[in-house]
This record gives sequence, C-alpha cells and structure tokens, in this order.
Amino acid sequence: DAGVIQSPRHEVTEMGQEVTLRCKPISGHDYLFWYRQTMMRGLELLIYFNNNVPIDDSGMPEDRFSAKMPNASFSTLKIQPSEPRDSAVYFCASTTRQGVPAYEQYFGPGTRLTVT
Amino acid sequence: AQSVTQLDSHVSVSEGTPVLLRCNYSSSYSPSLFWYVQHPNKGLQLLLKYTSAATLVKGINGFEAEFKKSETSFHLTKPSAHMSDAAEYFCVVSVYTTSGTYKYIFGTGTRLKVLA
Repeated sequence: DAGVIQSPRHEVTEMGQEVTLRCKPISGHDYLFWYRQTMMRGLELLIYFNNNVPIDDSGMPEDRFSAKMPNASFSTLKIQPSEPRDSAVYFCASTTRQGVPAYEQYFGPGTRLTVT
Repeated sequence: AQSVTQLDSHVSVSEGTPVLLRCNYSSSYSPSLFWYVQHPNKGLQLLLKYTSAATLVKGINGFEAEFKKSETSFHLTKPSAHMSDAAEYFCVVSVYTTSGTYKYIFGTGTRLKVLA
C-alpha cells in the first residue's frame, strides 16, 4: 500500500491567494483527518470525516478554511484567502477502526505551506 | 477533560545510553494512550499503544512504555539510543466525543537529540 498521499509537499504562495491541499487516504479507510502543525500551537485537529461526511469541524480556525471529501479516495483542504499566519505543516491521516478507542491513525508526509 | 502533558520539550542523550521521555495524562476513566514518532520532514508513525491489556507495552525499534495509574504516567523508554532515534516524539490520548467517535489529543512533543 502506498500509504496516505498528500500533495503538494511544499507550497509557497502570496497573501490573499487561494491554496488547495490534497489528500488521498489509504484504500478502505473510512475516516479521514486534517491536522495543522505549528511551533506555537503544536498539532491541532482541524476537521475529520466519516464515509465522506464531515463529523467535527470545530477545529477549523476561520471561514477562510474549508474542507471537502467528494469521494472515499480524495479530500481537499482549501484556504481562501490565505494569510501569513496560515503558514504551517498540514497533515492528513486516515483510519478504519475508529469505533474503538485504541485505534491507529496513519499519517501522510504533510504539506508545508508558506504564505508570504 | 482528558489531556496529556509531556514534561520535557527537549531531551539529549549520548548514543548507547538509555532514553526516557516523560508523559503524564489526565483522564476520568481508563485512557487509551499512544506514542508517535515524527522524523524530520516526515509524517507521524505509531510506536506503541496502551489498551489496558498490559501495563508494559512494547513497540517498534526497541521502545517500550509503562502505564502507571497511580502516577498517571505513560513514560517512553529505550535501553540504548541509536542515532536514528533522533526525532520528535508525541504522547497522545484518544478521547470519546459527543458524536460517538474518538479523536486524538496530542502532547506538545519532545525533541530527542542523540549525541555521537
């Protein structure tokens, strides 16, 4: 299995531009998570999906952030308009055994976003 | 509310000496606890998890952790550090949500440096 795939691996954009981050979960996994990692705030859960439906988006920082999962093999996280404080590493993770507390999440390599 | 506290932000050890990374948890019931490792520019990888089956948990790459309820701790140890162990380590607790699913709460991370 190729694992969780994220693209792009690096993104540099100017303030005000739209940014789209992409994630392909592991085949057969029915839960998908988006995280943001910064020095100041550590790892934060932004949103997660079950069977393509958003379950909890309470971690999405502002209306500028949106996430979609149009099918079981693809999800996007969009920032519009982007701001310098959005600079971070964004991780996608997936799992299939969310019904038990001790389930493992499988993480992608992350997308490092820099907004200038 | 459940949480985890990693007591050291940085730990330095010499190659071949023991590793101890400390984590305390806060939980009103028996928690599910994890240790994840993040190598530079990589995603997170599961090292081990505690599921209440055994208090001493063995993981990959020679790591192990002991769940101590009386001390509310879940410290990560390794008898002999290798250069390849240099990475950031996260203690994680799985918490039940009102939506009937579980989500991770991450500690702030401990950066392990291994000296030659």
